Amino acid sequence: AQSVSQHNHHVILSEAASLELGCNYSYGGTVNLFWYVQYPGQHLQLLLKYFSGDPLVKGIKGFEAEFIKSKFSFNLRKPSVQWSDTAEYFCAVSPTSGTYKYIFGTGTRLKVLA
Amino acid sequence: DAGVIQSPRHEVTEMGQEVTLRCKPISGHNSLFWYRQTMMRGLELLIYFNNNVPIDDSGMPEDRFSAKMPNASFSTLKIQPSEPRDSAVYFCASSPRGQGLYNEQFFGPGTRLTVL
Repeated sequence: AQSVSQHNHHVILSEAASLELGCNYSYGGTVNLFWYVQYPGQHLQLLLKYFSGDPLVKGIKGFEAEFIKSKFSFNLRKPSVQWSDTAEYFCAVSPTSGTYKYIFGTGTRLKVLA
Repeated sequence: DAGVIQSPRHEVTEMGQEVTLRCKPISGHNSLFWYRQTMMRGLELLIYFNNNVPIDDSGMPEDRFSAKMPNASFSTLKIQPSEPRDSAVYFCASSPRGQGLYNEQFFGPGTRLTVL
């Protein structure tokens, strides 16, 4: 069955610390990959996406993610977090054919201390 | 474009009452998704439509839940009768599925439902 695992459920960092959130998926075919962010009380917003090409994807607000096909991973990174990055982060995977529906991970709650 | 529009933004109702949540997808998008988000269960896909046709409703919790999409610009999610355990934030999302492989989903602001 298709699944997405986010290993870190809660992460607490100080401002300026580096961030890496793990995301692994289980699916046998070609996929599109996404990271969404949900700020407190708000809806999900797209942070970045991978469809094809360069496996290192840059998104908004200084975030980036690297698709490692051999490891079925799509980890999110940011070199220096800010207090305003406090949010919940969701990894999502979608097949490129068939249903196209997303499989979401359980989310990682990030708290950045000022 | 105004993005995905949902109404109401907040709904408080009593157990047993009917609740109807509404969604207007982004114009031109042909896929629409309903999600439910709770602290306990996270983000769950309830149902999704493609070209107004329900494709997968396996996430709909039970017969009390129903969803319709009478046309390309409107969808409803109905709960009848509502129960306290239905309290959650319900998100609608739309996607330009079928327009190539680029099936990014765009989320609405959500409806926060509280059933007393």
